[in-house]
Amino acid sequence: DAEITQSPRHKITETGRQVTLACHQTWNHNNMFWYRQDLGHGLRLIHYSYGVQDTNKGEVSDGYSVSRSNTEDLPLTLESAASSQTSVYFCASSEGSGRTFFGQGTRLTVV
Amino acid sequence: AQTVTQSQPEMSVQEAETVTLSCTYDTSESNYYLFWYKQPPSRQMILVIRQEAYKQQNATENRFSVNFQKAAKSFSLKISDSQLGDTAMYFCAFMKHSNNDMRFGAGTRLTVKP
Repeated sequence: DAEITQSPRHKITETGRQVTLACHQTWNHNNMFWYRQDLGHGLRLIHYSYGVQDTNKGEVSDGYSVSRSNTEDLPLTLESAASSQTSVYFCASSEGSGRTFFGQGTRLTVV
Repeated sequence: AQTVTQSQPEMSVQEAETVTLSCTYDTSESNYYLFWYKQPPSRQMILVIRQEAYKQQNATENRFSVNFQKAAKSFSLKISDSQLGDTAMYFCAFMKHSNNDMRFGAGTRLTVKP
């Protein structure tokens, strides 16, 4: 079965370190997204991609970057982790028609 | 910009009873999708129901149904015959037809009591 997987599921890192969260989907979807979930805010869009070599900023993109070198993967990089980036991160993919599939989430703690 | 508002941070309901979760949204778009997602303690985002804005008929999925009022920009979720497994966070979400990024409300924490 097609799926979307995130790794790691949990990570603790130190302030100032570079961190990369992986997202891999086997749906062959062109559209991929990264969200962060914080109490009281629901899920907020960080970055998104509509295809290989395409990346776009979402509503909370400061301090984050993504790259899309193939259809399956959209890694999210925190260039210099800050305590404000402690959150749960979700990757998602979709192929039009509004049908979106989410990964299991990554809980990131910045200490 | 699109905004989604869920005005009930927490709700509770007795098992087997009916509960309605509220959601309003703001957009100038005419073509869009609306969703309700369930997030149990496992963190998994589970699609409960999906509504296309051009369809006047309210979507239903078994015990879950929506009341979609396009003019009022309202999209409430009704859960009938509530079950203990319905205990979760519920998120309302909006997506324009022209792109695929979703905007979420802040969520409603629903507790089903035995």
